[in-house]
Amino acid sequence: EAGVAQSPRYKIIEKRQSVAFWCNPISGHATLYWYQQILGQGPKLLIQFQNNGVVDDSQLPKDRFSAERLKGVDSTLKIQPAKLEDSAVYLCASSLVGPAGGSSETQYFGPGTRLLVL
Amino acid sequence: AQSVTQLDSHVSVSEGTPVLLRCNYSSSYSPSLFWYVQHPNKGLQLLLKYTSAATLVKGINGFEAEFKKSETSFHLTKPSAHMSDAAEYFCVVSDREGFKTIFGAGTRLFVKA
Repeated sequence: EAGVAQSPRYKIIEKRQSVAFWCNPISGHATLYWYQQILGQGPKLLIQFQNNGVVDDSQLPKDRFSAERLKGVDSTLKIQPAKLEDSAVYLCASSLVGPAGGSSETQYFGPGTRLLVL
Repeated sequence: AQSVTQLDSHVSVSEGTPVLLRCNYSSSYSPSLFWYVQHPNKGLQLLLKYTSAATLVKGINGFEAEFKKSETSFHLTKPSAHMSDAAEYFCVVSDREGFKTIFGAGTRLFVKA
């Protein structure tokens, strides 16, 4: 079974530039998550989709971050404009069932995209 | 509101000795609890999860954790550490509806030869 795919793996940009990350979840997984992991900290949930609908985006800085999951499969996360404090690893995860199916489903994580903002 | 506290940022053990990584949680609902491991330059991997069945949960690689509601704890243990266990470990809480997944700050485990 193929895992969660993310690209690019690394990205370096200047502050105020824009950047986009892509995630392809495991086939058949209804729920998709984007996390931000700053060095030395645990991952922080940015946004959670069930199919193509947003379940939770309470911690997404909506003035600069946006995310979409068209057709309920792939997802993109965009930052525009980037700030120095956005330097982090951006993790995508997916799980088999959505919130209505309970929270006990395992999340499967991709390798992450390491972003450095200069 | 939910929260999770990992009581040690670093733990160092000798190979062959027991491992104890401590986690306390706070949740308004009956939570689901997880432990994930992150090896350097590798993705997060599930070690084990508690979902209101048996309070003693066995996971991969000899790890286990016990859910203690009275102490709001979910400590991770292993009887005998191996060099390959050196990694970052995260305790995670999620409410029953699947919302608000919260990771702890992590505990880095060092294993000395």
